[in-house]
Amino acid sequence: EVQLVESGGDLVKPGGSLKLSCAASGFTFSSYGMSWVRQTPDKRLEWVATISSGGSYTYYPDSVKGRFTISRDNAKNTLYLQMSSLKSEDTAMYYCARQNPDGGFAYWGQGTLVTVSA
Amino acid sequence: DIQMNQSPSSLSASLGDTITITCHASQNINVWLSWYQQKPGNIPKLLIYKASNLHTGVPSRFSGSGSGTGFTLTISSLQPEDIATYYCQQGQSYPWTFGGGTKLEIK
Repeated sequence: EVQLVESGGDLVKPGGSLKLSCAASGFTFSSYGMSWVRQTPDKRLEWVATISSGGSYTYYPDSVKGRFTISRDNAKNTLYLQMSSLKSEDTAMYYCARQNPDGGFAYWGQGTLVTVSA
Repeated sequence: DIQMNQSPSSLSASLGDTITITCHASQNINVWLSWYQQKPGNIPKLLIYKASNLHTGVPSRFSGSGSGTGFTLTISSLQPEDIATYYCQQGQSYPWTFGGGTKLEIK
């Protein structure tokens, strides 16, 4: 059974930093691209970052580019999201998701809540 | 960026009905369209990928169609457990983008 367990969410002040983790199990982690997707308080879904299976390629929307960094440790079956220069609009539930090779986010974790507020 | 417009934003239907949700892309996305279901208090789950392919374990009463800029999600014989918000998402080009969601309620 595919399991994705996020951690690291917290209340942080604007301008602060935070690192999220996602522990994966139940599949060959190193064979799949992985992503972070967030859901804002008004329930909008936003793609945040994607990393290739081997970690060589990363992709971000402009809204987080230069502030967020996605990485992975295939030996530890763990995905990361380093977030810096956080803004109030980064407040959201952050989900780790496994890519479906034919498109879409096939499996999602339960999420970790990030709140950016003074 | 490719904008994804879903309609309607909310929908009320009776058990046993067939309902259709529409998603329109602002540019040609070929068949790189996925649909997700998010039940209240739960995480999103993939229903359909590449416009018309059912994800593992998804009941056959769900179906998807379309290509280019226009797509539909159809739910036949509506069941109580289908109460959820449904989202479309394009994977044609970065940044990947989602529709605003369609909230389905049972009459």
